[in-house]
Amino acid sequence: DQQVKQNSPSLSVQEGRISILNCDYTNSMFDYFLWYKKYPAEGPTFLISISSIKDKNEDGRFTVFLNKSAKHLSLHIVPSQPGDSAVYFCAAIDSMWDTGNQFYFGTGTSLTVIP
Amino acid sequence: EPEVTQTPSHQVTQMGQEVILRCVPISNHLYFYWYRQILGQKVEFLVSFYNNEISEKSEIFDDQFSVERPDGSNFTLKIRSTKLEDSAMYFCASRLEDTGELFFGEGSRLTVL
Repeated sequence: DQQVKQNSPSLSVQEGRISILNCDYTNSMFDYFLWYKKYPAEGPTFLISISSIKDKNEDGRFTVFLNKSAKHLSLHIVPSQPGDSAVYFCAAIDSMWDTGNQFYFGTGTSLTVIP
Repeated sequence: EPEVTQTPSHQVTQMGQEVILRCVPISNHLYFYWYRQILGQKVEFLVSFYNNEISEKSEIFDDQFSVERPDGSNFTLKIRSTKLEDSAMYFCASRLEDTGELFFGEGSRLTVL
């Protein structure tokens, strides 16, 4: 049962343009969402997060939007740079305060930024 | 910057052999996790560990798997009798008590022949 879904396995964007990566979830109990970036042969690295009490969080070129009613979040990268080329994973947890709760990961979207 | 470290980076083993993957989480973190990613597939949760015991595990984490925090700094994943399908990248992760951010190690690639 895939509770977090990233329906686009890949995305190509021209350098300088906006990259929009999408993520959908099914569990309404999820209340904290994170985006991770992963380069080949490396571990995922945290990028940005958002709690369910917000609908937007911005950090530099990265903005995450959350639409709780649609159970949808998106990551916007503006402007996109070639170094952003990586696999991006969306993750969700159902309570950040419980012990041992697992992070549910999407299947990832491979972003290629074309110079 | 503090980081999660994992050893070995790559291990090749024969089917049926025991494997131990080692992790040193960030020193003040309290929650510890193992995830794995089979080549070309999604990152899958294996187990979480808090207060010296398993707090949650997935159906992947069967009797062949065990975790241990033997000395207060290392966090190990043991696979007792490896199978071909255990070949994957295994990621250790840890987090602080009061933040949702999960810090991952670089991963240990396990190849079972």
